[in-house]
Amino acid sequence: NAGVTQTPKFRILKIGQSMTLQCTQDMNHNYMYWYRQDPGMGLKLIYYSVGAGITDKGEVPNGYNVSRSTTEDFPLRLELAAPSQTSVYFCASSLKRGFTGELFFGEGSRLTVL
Amino acid sequence: QQQVKQSPQSLIVQKGGISIINCAYENTAFDYFPWYQQFPGKGPALLIAIRPDVSEKKEGRFTISFNKSAKQFSLHIMDSQPGDSATYFCAAGGNKLVFGAGTILRVKS
Repeated sequence: NAGVTQTPKFRILKIGQSMTLQCTQDMNHNYMYWYRQDPGMGLKLIYYSVGAGITDKGEVPNGYNVSRSTTEDFPLRLELAAPSQTSVYFCASSLKRGFTGELFFGEGSRLTVL
Repeated sequence: QQQVKQSPQSLIVQKGGISIINCAYENTAFDYFPWYQQFPGKGPALLIAIRPDVSEKKEGRFTISFNKSAKQFSLHIMDSQPGDSATYFCAAGGNKLVFGAGTILRVKS
């Protein structure tokens, strides 16, 4: 099993550009999450989904959008990229609700906005 | 306020020594306390977790100590090895999962 797969691994964007970070999991997990990791700040939840068609905001949703059309895929869209969105983004999934269960993370997508 | 404070920010330990990382939380509604280990270029992975009905949980060289009254918990790595060099995150979960800022551990051989 591949687990959680994220693409791309690295990307440089110009201010104002848009892009989509892709995330797919093959573990048939209902719950999926997007986190951002900044140095010295831990991981902050951007959006999460409890199943296909259902999404909800996390701590830092501004400037991002998500969709969940299938159990496997949970893309994160950045609209009008800003330097503050320079970060490492992690997608995760869990068998049960991840706030009290194990999260399985992808390897991350490093985004730089210049 | 749902914060988790983690210390130290970084830690250097000799091979064979004990590594200790501490976390403190504020919200008494948290009922799940995991530790995640992250190697460079990889995503975090669950290392060990504890629920507040026990004061200690041990898995191999890794032990969580939990003090409910003080709202503190810690990770102890016994006989630390160079392969343990990584970033460690504590977290507290309930209706939210809040991560600490992370501790960069380096084990010198």
